[in-house]
Amino acid sequence: GESVGLHLPTLSVQEGDNSIINCAYSNSASDYFIWYKQESGKGPQFIIDIRSNMDKRQGQRVTVLLNKTVKHLSLQIAATQPGDSAVYFCAENTGGFKTIFGAGTRLFVKA
Amino acid sequence: DADVTQTPRNRITKTGKRIMLECSQTKGHDRMYWYRQDPGLGLRLIYYSFDVKDINKGEISDGYSVSRQAQAKFSLSLESAIPNQTALYFCATSGLAGSTGEQFFGPGTRLTVL
Repeated sequence: GESVGLHLPTLSVQEGDNSIINCAYSNSASDYFIWYKQESGKGPQFIIDIRSNMDKRQGQRVTVLLNKTVKHLSLQIAATQPGDSAVYFCAENTGGFKTIFGAGTRLFVKA
Repeated sequence: DADVTQTPRNRITKTGKRIMLECSQTKGHDRMYWYRQDPGLGLRLIYYSFDVKDINKGEISDGYSVSRQAQAKFSLSLESAIPNQTALYFCATSGLAGSTGEQFFGPGTRLTVL
């Protein structure tokens, strides 16, 4: 099986419950933030993004919250489904070429 | 067909061997990246390229080299592989400056160096 994420923080939720995945970012100059989802055996896939002039953005079943005061980002998944099981990465960008990725959080969804 | 493809998907090699990992994209993006992924460390940038004539080192470029053969192709080489280069390698692309900055990743190459 996939060896990525063996030592990652893990969140286990019941199917149908809401999930909240947290991320602390490092650079106060970062102005763009992204959440990626990585399923086993696949590359990361874009979920949702947010710019620093916003504190909340909603997508389909997902919401990203940004608290610049404490440099904290969260991803909320509503009505979590088994297909949401994956590793989730936050990433920050200062508007240039370089994106800094967090270590990731593994989400387990129990049926 | 996938927008970003990587070959090979899996490779086992021995210490000291030269290895090339290839990446192709059909998204028409100018920017391409190579990352490695290790357990608990997230993605770390090895090299990136803004166009065919532009190659830049990332945070962990030692022991690696790259070639941007065309807009659509970006290859990563390990000149003399060592065991601590065992990892998952991802190629990614992104659009021009002013875009959202979203990166599109290939499926990854699992490299094992014995």
